[in-house]
Parts: sequence; structure tokens; C-alpha cells
Amino acid sequence: SQQGEEDPQALSIQEGENATMNCSYKTSINNLQWYRQNSGRGLVHLILIRSNEREKHSGRLRVTLDTSKKSSSLLITASRAADTASYFCATDSNTGFQKLVFGTGTRLLVSP
Amino acid sequence: DAGITQSPRHKVTETGTPVTLRCHQTENHRYMYWYRQDPGHGLRLIHYSYGVKDTDKGEVSDGYSVSRSKTEDFLLTLESATSSQTSVYFCAISRQREYNEQFFGPGTRLTVL
Repeated sequence: SQQGEEDPQALSIQEGENATMNCSYKTSINNLQWYRQNSGRGLVHLILIRSNEREKHSGRLRVTLDTSKKSSSLLITASRAADTASYFCATDSNTGFQKLVFGTGTRLLVSP
Repeated sequence: DAGITQSPRHKVTETGTPVTLRCHQTENHRYMYWYRQDPGHGLRLIHYSYGVKDTDKGEVSDGYSVSRSKTEDFLLTLESATSSQTSVYFCAISRQREYNEQFFGPGTRLTVL
């Protein structure tokens, strides 16, 4: 069974607006990662947050983690058309961190 | 792309035929993974390898086998392809230093008729 579920499934915004997507997972984790996938391409790692961290920033990205609620959010500030992509959360499984379990993703469309 | 290539990039085959997909890395990383991506399911792990000749099953391993005879190559074989195996297949590697941050290949689009 999948560990992470993203919400919303699709999000459409204008350039300059902020985009927030959420991820929920089911079991204890060591860390949670976010990946981006442009159409027809492989996934690209964006940011990792450890289970003992609550918030992390990287450029225009802000990730939060609430282990009590088993949820994470990814905020992209001042979105650009180039941010149009699918975004996936991934967690290490409860059988060890050698394997990641990916969510179903959020499709983000940023219009000029 | 962390030196990961996949071949072929596109393949159309018929039900019942064997198919082998190849993943090649140039960075000598220990961990390699095969995923399939289908609409509504995200990425699902098929098999992974933690060294030469060391492999383990993932979430959706039925109908697939893998081999790793060299550090740089990880092969995924569909012994007898079925239409349900039509998908996009991604290979990934992990540097496994402290965290399992993965780097993905460009994918192989497989169509089984």
C-alpha cells in the first residue's frame, strides 16, 4: 500500500501566486522528500526533511513536517510558469530507508 | 541526470514476448531501483539492488525479474509481457550516504499490445 497521498491532485494558479500542496502518510518515517517531475522526464529531488525537523527552506521552497499528524506540506512562493510540473512526496518505508514509497502526486499548472 | 541512462527509451512489443530493459550508471553507486509509473498510482517499486548479485522485491514484483552482474548495470526483464505491464519504467540510483536521496533516469515507455 502506498505511504504518501498528495492533496490536491491538481492545482492551477497564476504566475506570482503561491502554491501549496500537501502529503499525508501512514506510518513512522525517518525522513520525507519532495520530488518534481516535468512532463516526460524522470523525477528530480527537491528537498528532504528529517523526522526531527519541523520546517525547511530551499530558495522559493518551504517544507513543513508534522509527525503527529503524519503530514507534510510543500509551499512554492512566487510561482513561475517553469514550476509547472507534477510534485511527489516520498517517504522511507517502515522496513528500512533503502526503499522509498512515493505518493500519487500533485499536478501543478502555473499560467503566465 | 547523475549519469543514468536507460535503454531502450521506447518499445512496443506483443503479449507473451520477453522484454529486457537496461539501466546504466556511471557513478558506481551501490543502490539501484526499478519503478513503474502509471496514472493514478504514482511510482511503484518493482525491484531494487543493494550490490552486485544482491536484489530484493518491491511492491509490484510479480511478472518481473532483475539481474545485476556489474555495479553499473541493472536489468529488468519481463519474461512474458502482458498488457498490464504497459507503463513508463524508471530506473533510479541512490548515493545512500545518510539519506536515500534518489536520482532518476529518463524513463522507458513500454507498450504491450
